[in-house]
Amino acid sequence: KNQVEQSPQSLIILEGKNCTLQCNYTVSPFSNLRWYKQDTGRGPVSLTIMTFSENTKSNGRYTATLDADTKQSSLHITASQLSDSASYICVVSATSGTYKYIFGTGTRLKVLA
Amino acid sequence: ETGVTQTPRHLVMGMTNKKSLKCEQHLGHNAMYWYKQSAKKPLELMFVYSLEERVENNSVPSRFSPECPNSSHLFLHLHTLQPEDSALYLCASSEQGSSYNSPLHFGNGTRLTVT
Repeated sequence: KNQVEQSPQSLIILEGKNCTLQCNYTVSPFSNLRWYKQDTGRGPVSLTIMTFSENTKSNGRYTATLDADTKQSSLHITASQLSDSASYICVVSATSGTYKYIFGTGTRLKVLA
Repeated sequence: ETGVTQTPRHLVMGMTNKKSLKCEQHLGHNAMYWYKQSAKKPLELMFVYSLEERVENNSVPSRFSPECPNSSHLFLHLHTLQPEDSALYLCASSEQGSSYNSPLHFGNGTRLTVT
């Protein structure tokens, strides 16, 4: 069964600290993996995309990694800011079926001053 | 300013009411989606339209009825809903047909409460 699991479910950190969010998937065949950020009361916004051949990709203070062998991805946030408080959703696309996006339940991050 | 606009942002309706959710995308995309987002659950795909043709209908109850009059507009018609239908309804668009799945661009959703 195609599935995406994220951990932790929620996380509280102090401003300026780093954190890492995890995503494990069992989607096959695999096309790509995206991390989305969803602010409260808003729709999700794409942060980064990882394809099969990519191990690491950065977008400002966000760095995503992908291990296609173990089917794991992580999103590392450096020097967190209050505006990083949001839900982070891992989404995996399967190659079979153009509209097949499999969503994780997300990690809710709260950054405190 | 998001390229996908949803109205209304909030909606409260009784179980006997009929209402419609509206979505408009300004990105020139050829596919549009309706998703349901409930607390502590992954986004659930409801419907997909590609080039105004419905290509996915994910076992959604008939009390939800989609309509796609053109590639920029998508509606979700609601009637005789149940309290468990209360959720955030997200519209998204994407460009399909390239070598990989393009990102979904979401609207800010309609928060629906069924009383």
